[in-house]
Amino acid sequence: EDQVTQSPEALRLQEGESSSLNCSYTVSGLRGLFWYRQDPGKGPEFLFTLYSAGEEKEKERLKATLTKKESFLHITAPKPEDSATYLCAVLSSGGSYIPTFGRGTSLIVHP
Amino acid sequence: ETGVTQSPTHLIKTRGQQVTLRCSSQSGHNTVSWYQQALGQGPQFIFQYYREEENGRGNFPPRFSGLQFPNYSSELNVNALELDDSALYLCASSVDRGRDEQFFGPGTRLTVL
Repeated sequence: EDQVTQSPEALRLQEGESSSLNCSYTVSGLRGLFWYRQDPGKGPEFLFTLYSAGEEKEKERLKATLTKKESFLHITAPKPEDSATYLCAVLSSGGSYIPTFGRGTSLIVHP
Repeated sequence: ETGVTQSPTHLIKTRGQQVTLRCSSQSGHNTVSWYQQALGQGPQFIFQYYREEENGRGNFPPRFSGLQFPNYSSELNVNALELDDSALYLCASSVDRGRDEQFFGPGTRLTVL
């Protein structure tokens, strides 16, 4: 059974204080790992897909990296508008198209 | 390009009732997935439809059922509502079954009293 564990559950940062969110996963074979941003009461917004260990992707202040066991979402010099819940999901290569989501990390950036 | 839309936005039902939630997929997308998200949890996969056929199902009872129409819009039906069915119901569409990026709608907040 695929498993995704995100840490920390909650993170409070000061504006400009860089940090990283962790997503640890267990799958029989990784087809892809996804990061989403979710604002309260809204649907998740797609950020990145990573397919293989060593891959990195960037978007504005966000950078996602992938190893064989975990992924990190690095947030550089965050701003208050980066406050949201960040979700990680994995899709295994077993032939089904059913992603498994983690519970998310709630990020609050104080001005 | 129109994104994924869902209706209604909010819904209040009583235990034992039935509910239908609707989703219009993003233009050009033929695959729709439904998720249940309880407060403080990640989305839980309910099922996926690809070209009007069910393409996968999560660990949900048969009283959760769905449809996909020729225009690739979709419905989620839940019978015999229980209190634990209270959640945000999310619809996500993707270009094709084999394409992994999913684009989510704003969700329907269902409250069961």
